Amino acid sequence: GENVEQHPSTLSVQEGDSAVIKCTYSDSASNYFPWYKQELGKGPQLIIDIRSNVGEKKDQRIAVTLNKTAKHFSLHITETQPEDSAVYFCAASMFSGGYNKLIFGAGTRLAVHP
Amino acid sequence: NAGVMQNPRHLVRRRGQEARLRCSPMKGHSHVYWYRQLPEEGLKFMVYLQKENIIDESGMPKERFSAEFPKEGPSILRIQQVVRGDSAAYFCASSPAGGGEYGYTFGSGTRLTVV
Repeated sequence: GENVEQHPSTLSVQEGDSAVIKCTYSDSASNYFPWYKQELGKGPQLIIDIRSNVGEKKDQRIAVTLNKTAKHFSLHITETQPEDSAVYFCAASMFSGGYNKLIFGAGTRLAVHP
Repeated sequence: NAGVMQNPRHLVRRRGQEARLRCSPMKGHSHVYWYRQLPEEGLKFMVYLQKENIIDESGMPKERFSAEFPKEGPSILRIQQVVRGDSAAYFCASSPAGGGEYGYTFGSGTRLTVV
């Protein structure tokens, strides 16, 4: 069935290092890939997204890359800071159950240590 | 421009009581999605609604859970005869149109505790 796999499930880095989270998706027709950040006790917040007509998008310290051939996309955070500590979810739009929906990965818990 | 509003933020219910969770979508959004999140786990899809219609309820437990999105007013997720296993965070998201490619905006969630 349609699914999104996300790795790693936990990631621990030192402040200032880079962090990379990877996701793969199953539906080659997927055309929209958002990333959400969920801080403790809060709802998921959209931090960056990419559509299938581009291969990379950057917003300050965060960037997302998309490889449509391999059906995977990645989140890159550079110069990590303690406030980047959160759970990150990737998602992909897929046709499932008769309509196009967002399918979420299982999440990555990122810890940035000072 | 208010985002997705969920209330209450915290809800405590005794076993056997009913829980009602409310979600007002973003202005201009007519599509609502409910998700459940257990501690330390991911987002589990429950139900997708448009105004007055349930589009996909494939993630809803067969018993005790129901959802509605009336023509006027917020979307309601209702849990009857709650049990301890219902304790979780429940998130609502909305989108301006049907389809994942429009993106979802999430609310802050309702944390349900069953004692």
